Amino acid sequence: GAVVSQHPSWVICKSGTSVKIECRSLDFQATTMFWYRQFPKQSLMLMATSNEGSKATYEQGVEKDKFLINHASLTLSTLTVTSAHPEDSSFYICSATQNYGYTFGSGTRLTVV
Amino acid sequence: KQEVTQIPAALSVPEGENLVLNCSFTDSAIYNLQWFRQDPGKGLTSLLLIQSSQREQTSGRLNASLDKSSGRSTLYIAASQPGDSATYLCAVRRVTNDMRFGAGTRLTVKP
Repeated sequence: GAVVSQHPSWVICKSGTSVKIECRSLDFQATTMFWYRQFPKQSLMLMATSNEGSKATYEQGVEKDKFLINHASLTLSTLTVTSAHPEDSSFYICSATQNYGYTFGSGTRLTVV
Repeated sequence: KQEVTQIPAALSVPEGENLVLNCSFTDSAIYNLQWFRQDPGKGLTSLLLIQSSQREQTSGRLNASLDKSSGRSTLYIAASQPGDSATYLCAVRRVTNDMRFGAGTRLTVKP
């Protein structure tokens, strides 16, 4: 079955630094990947839609200059949280489409101290 | 704007009970609906996917139904087990290709 690999699974960083999260589709090509954020005891909220070779489309309220998304190939999308602050601490999860369903990565727990 | 609502928010049942989780969505223009399971601090595991043209899907003890016209889906879990304890998320795939999630139902099955 389709597998999406996401890492790191967890990361702790200092306030003001940047963190990069990778999302790879291992056995299929994903023209579109999605990035979600989940705060404790809340559901997943779509942050942006990433299309290979083009700029990402961000949801309302998501700062594109803070959350940099790069989708340089059909199997890799990256999310970089720039100048991280404690309020950016959250669970970030990516997904990729294949046929009709979505496959999700295992998520990244980001803690900014 | 698509809104997805799940009821109840939390559910605690004794082992062996059959149970129903509910999901409703406001915009019936969807491609499909998917039910996921999420364990604490983990990613999502897909349980069932129902295309917009389908009425239901079954996998083992799980059965999901879809009534697109009324904007409702149910997930039926038969003979619940402690291992079923998790948060269950309902998500609809919109015609814009992205997914919208409900807030989830946190299920606890007591031995």
